[in-house]
Amino acid sequence: GENVEQHPSTLSVQEGDSAVIKCTYSDSASNYFPWYKQELGKGPQLIIDIRSNVGEKKDQRIAVTLNKTAKHFSLHITETQPEDSAVYFCAPGTDKLIFGTGTRLQVFP
Amino acid sequence: EAGVVQSPRYKIIEKKQPVAFWCNPISGHNTLYWYLQNLGQGPELLIRYENEEAVDDSQLPKDRFSAERLKGVDSTLKIQPAELGDSAVYLCASSLAGEETQYFGPGTRLLVL
Repeated sequence: GENVEQHPSTLSVQEGDSAVIKCTYSDSASNYFPWYKQELGKGPQLIIDIRSNVGEKKDQRIAVTLNKTAKHFSLHITETQPEDSAVYFCAPGTDKLIFGTGTRLQVFP
Repeated sequence: EAGVVQSPRYKIIEKKQPVAFWCNPISGHNTLYWYLQNLGQGPELLIRYENEEAVDDSQLPKDRFSAERLKGVDSTLKIQPAELGDSAVYLCASSLAGEETQYFGPGTRLLVL
């Protein structure tokens, strides 16, 4: 089955700094690459996604880059703010999403 | 527009007791998912419905878990009997038919004592 790994598992940054989370996957058939944000006591929320025919996508302070040859994609958050503190999950897949183990991001004021 | 609704939000039961969770998806979403999320881990798919048909239940432990979506809208997930290891958050999600983006509810946090 699909093996999905995220690195790092925890990440602490100062407000205003950038944060990068990497996701590696094993299934070469994956063609959809989303990132979800989960705050305490809530369900995951989609923050950005990319499809396999695109290498990079940006939405304000958030960007996702995809390297399909190497089977990894990354989440980039610039100018981090305390409200970015949450657990972030990648979930590569096709019609079925396989979630990674998550990265806990803490942004200190 | 209302999001995915789940109830109850919290449930505490003793082992061997039955428990049921309810989900109301976003209006118009044909596809409904139930996920299990253990502490410190990502969600794991239990079952996926397309309208009232379960199209993927390969990860559902069928000896104690059951689910239904009789009219293709609301869904219920049941555990009978519950075991200590079932303590987790049970998430419901929905999506439009043929679209990958899934919208999650807040989840039901189950504690089995």
